[in-house]
Amino acid sequence: EAGVTQFPSHSVIEKGQTVTLRCDPISGHDNLYWYRRVMGKEIKFLLHFVKESKQDESGMPNNRFLAERTGGTYSTLKVQPAELEDSGVYFCASSEATSGRNTGELFFGEGSRLTVL
Amino acid sequence: AQSVTQPDIHITVSEGASLELRCNYSYGATPYLFWYVQSPGQGLQLLLKYFSGDTLVQGIKGFEAEFKRSQSSFNLRKPSVHWSDAAEYFCAVGVWRDDKIIFGKGTRLHILP
Repeated sequence: EAGVTQFPSHSVIEKGQTVTLRCDPISGHDNLYWYRRVMGKEIKFLLHFVKESKQDESGMPNNRFLAERTGGTYSTLKVQPAELEDSGVYFCASSEATSGRNTGELFFGEGSRLTVL
Repeated sequence: AQSVTQPDIHITVSEGASLELRCNYSYGATPYLFWYVQSPGQGLQLLLKYFSGDTLVQGIKGFEAEFKRSQSSFNLRKPSVHWSDAAEYFCAVGVWRDDKIIFGKGTRLHILP
């Protein structure tokens, strides 16, 4: 069974440009999460989808970030326009739906490293 | 607010030596606790988790962790490390009313031959 896949693995762009990161969760996983790790800091929560709906986007830094999950399958995270402080590793994770609360076993992708020059 | 503290940014141990990575959390209710590992070029992999019950939790790759409520700690241990254990280790707490996980800053483990 395929795990969580992310594309691209590394992107280098100039300040002001646009980048779109993609995440394909494990098939059948309703929950999809985006996290980000800026160099030397903790992995921070960005947002959480349940199927195609945004359950929690409290971690999104500002309106330059736009996440979508059309059809409840793969998700994209667009940064437009990119700034220097957006550099970091963006992780996607997915988990199965449960009848109650999420049991917490998130399956992570390898991350997309974004470098903004 | 919920938080996770990993006081050691880097730890170096010799191959075959024992290991303990420290983790302290701040959470108002009974926590769900996790340790994840990220090896070079790979994603985050779950090592073990604590939800309830026995406070000593066994994980993959010979790791274990002990939940100590009185100390708000969930330290990770391994009796004898292998060179392949060199990686970055993240402690995390589950915030269940919000359905998300909060991570510590990570501890990078270096292994001396």
